[in-house]
Amino acid sequence: RKEVEQDPGPFNVPEGATVAFNCTYSNSASQSFFWYRQDCRKEPKLLMSVYSSGNEDGRFTAQLNRASQYISLLIRDSKLSDSATYLCVVNSDTDKLIFGTGTRLQVFP
Amino acid sequence: ETGVTQSPTHLIKTRGQQVTLRCSSQSGHNTVSWYQQALGQGPQFIFQYYREEENGRGNFPPRFSGLQFPNYSSELNVNALELDDSALYLCASSLPGAMNTEAFFGQGTRLTVV
Repeated sequence: RKEVEQDPGPFNVPEGATVAFNCTYSNSASQSFFWYRQDCRKEPKLLMSVYSSGNEDGRFTAQLNRASQYISLLIRDSKLSDSATYLCVVNSDTDKLIFGTGTRLQVFP
Repeated sequence: ETGVTQSPTHLIKTRGQQVTLRCSSQSGHNTVSWYQQALGQGPQFIFQYYREEENGRGNFPPRFSGLQFPNYSSELNVNALELDDSALYLCASSLPGAMNTEAFFGQGTRLTVV
């Protein structure tokens, strides 16, 4: 079983749509959780950290359920510029980042 | 721009050869991690360096080795290259031990082994 699992997509959505990505992780000792965004042929960049209480940054909302070992990202009012791969990332108890395979999002006009 | 720079940006090598990739970390960051990202996959952790010592290693064979220098820059060396080593190699710098700290990635080195 992979340490971090994501649906690879692709998710093809129209502008203005709401889209949700899910992720599960296997190590219950994991302490920190993130969503990174990666554009085609570019490096990953931090989109947002994920906290147990849930957190929001503009159109983006992240949720963490430690009991189910489940992380989610919700994007509201999708823009063309949101098209990218979204990587679910878990910081293990040995302080290394474990990445999921990524979920590809394509927003069309 | 993250302040993390990698060189070269692209490289083509022949199977069996050796390669050295370089990374300069962001100012103030003394922890450098290396990742391998194959096409269509997420980055896979290779190893991490902190204060010139290896500080954790992923599931990669010994022909993957590294160094960190006093200025916190780092090298990744791969010996006896195999076709499956073709990938994007990413370097990330961060502050040590802070579990919630952001890792800043360089633009990567795209290695092709033929």
